[in-house]
Amino acid sequence: GEDVEQSLFLSVREGDSSVINCTYTDSSSTYLYWYKQEPGAGLQLLTYIFSNMDMKQDQRLTVLLNKKDKHLSLRIADTQTGDSAIYFCAEYRGSTLGRLYFGRGTQLTVWP
Amino acid sequence: NAGVTQTPKFQVLKTGQSMTLQCAQDMNHEYMSWYRQDPGMGLRLIHYSVGAGITDQGEVPNGYNVSRSTTEDFPLRLLSAAPSQTSVYFCASSYLGRGDKDTQYFGPGTRLTVL
Repeated sequence: GEDVEQSLFLSVREGDSSVINCTYTDSSSTYLYWYKQEPGAGLQLLTYIFSNMDMKQDQRLTVLLNKKDKHLSLRIADTQTGDSAIYFCAEYRGSTLGRLYFGRGTQLTVWP
Repeated sequence: NAGVTQTPKFQVLKTGQSMTLQCAQDMNHEYMSWYRQDPGMGLRLIHYSVGAGITDQGEVPNGYNVSRSTTEDFPLRLLSAAPSQTSVYFCASSYLGRGDKDTQYFGPGTRLTVL
């Protein structure tokens, strides 16, 4: 199908790890992105991964890519209350120049 | 670098009124786009542009017009506002076709209510 799929909600305790999952649609997508949206704000790029990589680590963030299953995940280590936000997965398919396809977003709530 | 700027931040319209949402970027990006964000719907693409003078429709273009006379500006016009257009509108921009430079940068959004 056309949709990038994400679960809508995730709750974790402060200090635990969070894992946000995404299933994308196009096996030829070259870049996959994670964006963060805090309340009342625009979308901020967190990280991205190129399709020839399996994993990318950036401080507390780890992105895992399973191309066979078209599955992308974002792990946040030592989750803090400031990580509470909506997280969007997006794919660049390349079929339309410049266009990204977004999932519906996962609302992450971190409890103290 | 101001990045992507949008005005106004908030707007209330009556049904049938028209208005223009402004978007500007100072990063010399070729690609600019408009999204609307509704609860539970994520981001839906309204219109996009791959350069000055070139625009195209996204998923939900009805009721909206765009033009791109300069690289920097990409205004979105609501022709005759309807309550179904109550939403948060985001403008975004990026370079084109350069792999990691396809990162889209978003403006802070315009919150529109149509009564």
